[in-house]
Amino acid sequence: EVVLTQSPGTLSLSPGERATLSCRASQSFYNNYLAWFQQKPGRAPRLLIHAASSRVTGIPDRFSGSGSGTDFTLTISRLEPEDFAVYYCQQYGSSPWTFGQGTKVEIK
Amino acid sequence: QVQLLQWGAGLLKPSDTLSLTCGVNGRSLSPYWWCWIRQSPGKGLEWIGEINQIGETNYNPSFKSRVTISVDASENQFSLNLRSVTAADTALYYCASLHFGDDAGDYWGLGTLVTVSS
Repeated sequence: EVVLTQSPGTLSLSPGERATLSCRASQSFYNNYLAWFQQKPGRAPRLLIHAASSRVTGIPDRFSGSGSGTDFTLTISRLEPEDFAVYYCQQYGSSPWTFGQGTKVEIK
Repeated sequence: QVQLLQWGAGLLKPSDTLSLTCGVNGRSLSPYWWCWIRQSPGKGLEWIGEINQIGETNYNPSFKSRVTISVDASENQFSLNLRSVTAADTALYYCASLHFGDDAGDYWGLGTLVTVSS
């Protein structure tokens, strides 16, 4: 199965700053089918990005995804207070679907 | 507004069978796939498997020998059975639909905490 490794484990930033989250895959998978989720405490994850760079309808444009092959990035251009959360990458191009272990974006 | 309402036993003993059901309100099961995902501190998020309205399934090989996902299209619900549970199966279990493509989006249940303890 495809193993996804996210870095860093924790990102300490201030509102207004730029966040760059990395997701590295152990092997490439079909069509760069990579998604990013946001999870807040006590809540289910929420889909932000699919197909590596396509934003889901309703997701603010400060969220952007990029990458291909085995290296992917989620960028939050200017952090808003509601963006502090845990972010997971997930690949759906190779069965079984797998998730990264998460990056926590916390307030500095 | 689509709602996923999930229910089932939250406390099990080792070797029991975990049984959860997820009712989908606000839309038909078709044309999406509906899945079970669990989350634990030790293993993070794990995709268990998925089913569509006509009962076609895909399972994670890590669970394949123990898991059955079924659907009752007439009741607009789907279910998870995980046999022979151990403490390692203690987790928060979500039912969900993750759909990608032109109408990408997701639906999630609130989660059911399942604890396996003797």
